[in-house]
Amino acid sequence: DAKTTQPTSMDCAEGRAANLPCNHSTISGNEYVYWYRQIHSQGPQYIIHGLKNNETNEMASLIITEDRKSSTLILPHATLRDTAVYYCIVRADTGKLIFGQGTTLQVKP
Amino acid sequence: DAGITQSPRHKVTETGTPVTLRCHQTENHRYMYWYRQDPGHGLRLIHYSYGVKDTDKGEVSDGYSVSRSKTEDFLLTLESATSSQTSVYFCAIMGVEDTQYFGPGTRLTVL
Repeated sequence: DAKTTQPTSMDCAEGRAANLPCNHSTISGNEYVYWYRQIHSQGPQYIIHGLKNNETNEMASLIITEDRKSSTLILPHATLRDTAVYYCIVRADTGKLIFGQGTTLQVKP
Repeated sequence: DAGITQSPRHKVTETGTPVTLRCHQTENHRYMYWYRQDPGHGLRLIHYSYGVKDTDKGEVSDGYSVSRSKTEDFLLTLESATSSQTSVYFCAIMGVEDTQYFGPGTRLTVL
């Protein structure tokens, strides 16, 4: 299963865009990139996923590099409620999600 | 929230006692999962089910068993709880576009 690497923590000013990077250099051609977040011990919340094209939904945008070895989750206008741990996950063919340590995003006023 | 509930939400028990956690879903999803979350480890898959009576092991299945006798319920049992099983347990279902959605969690403390 492909492994992901994320920074341990990041800060972002409220109202600004939060750009969370993720490296997944061993990703296979048919593996999807998923992003979840977890707010203070609640259940993980699905954000967005993609295969090779950039994706956007009401929560965020996902930018995947052409070689698919890395991606960036963009929260366009971060609010204090976006403070959470963000997980970048490469989903295997089996459907299993392998969670890493994630990035703790702190949105500051 | 994908119609997932977990019970109990909190439980304190003693070493050696059996414990059963319940995950209930209301939307007839085929796949269900049990994870545990511990500091420094993220979420780790314990067991999963791909249908009634069809289950398989995850990466940390030792000491746990599961059962799924009907689509809506997925039970996780600790036959003889140990302190190392103190954790937060999350259930998940696989919804549209093969995306997993998680329940609110059960905090289990084994003394």
